[in-house]
Amino acid sequence: GAVVSQHPSWVICKSGTSVKIECRSLDFQATTMFWYRQFPKQSLMLMATSNEGSKATYEQGVEKDKFLINHASLTLSTLTVTSAHPEDSSFYICSAMWGSTEAFFGQGTRLTVV
Amino acid sequence: AQKITQTQPGMFVQEKEAVTLDCTYDTSDQSYGLFWYKQPSSGEMIFLIYQGSYDEQNATEGRYSLNFQKARKSANLVISASQLGDSAMYFCAMREGWRSGNTPLVFGKGTRLSVIA
Repeated sequence: GAVVSQHPSWVICKSGTSVKIECRSLDFQATTMFWYRQFPKQSLMLMATSNEGSKATYEQGVEKDKFLINHASLTLSTLTVTSAHPEDSSFYICSAMWGSTEAFFGQGTRLTVV
Repeated sequence: AQKITQTQPGMFVQEKEAVTLDCTYDTSDQSYGLFWYKQPSSGEMIFLIYQGSYDEQNATEGRYSLNFQKARKSANLVISASQLGDSAMYFCAMREGWRSGNTPLVFGKGTRLSVIA
């Protein structure tokens, strides 16, 4: 079946630095990918919708200048957390739809900002 | 307003017993899909089962079945013959308006299931 690969699985970075997370669709073309954030013991909250070749659509309350999303190809979307701070520490996970009934998720990235 | 409501923060079930995880949803769309995912401590999202709003029969996938009651807007997950490996977080999710384009899944708050030996 279709697979979405996310990298890295975990990352620790210093406060003030930027971190890039990649999300790849391995055997299908994903014109749209979704980025979620999950705090410990909480649900997945949609951050933004990433559209190939156009600007991402951000959910209310999500800073577009802090969470830069680039979807330059049909198989790759990236999320860059800029000037990361400890409160950005979270689990980030991407998703792509396959048809209308299947949603594939990446493995997720645990970001810790120290 | 909550689109997906999971009222059970935590559930316990004896090994080999069946358990029902509750999920109610809110939508005005006629076309929507309902999903259940399992999330173990590793964080990966494991797809369990899908029910389309037009599907007349309840979905089943192995030990998982979805009790779909459209009029009540509920989509409860039933796990039969629970196993220790079923201990995890379970999320109900909905996708609205998928006929008009790519729309995301919206998740409930989840239910933590613990299977007891």
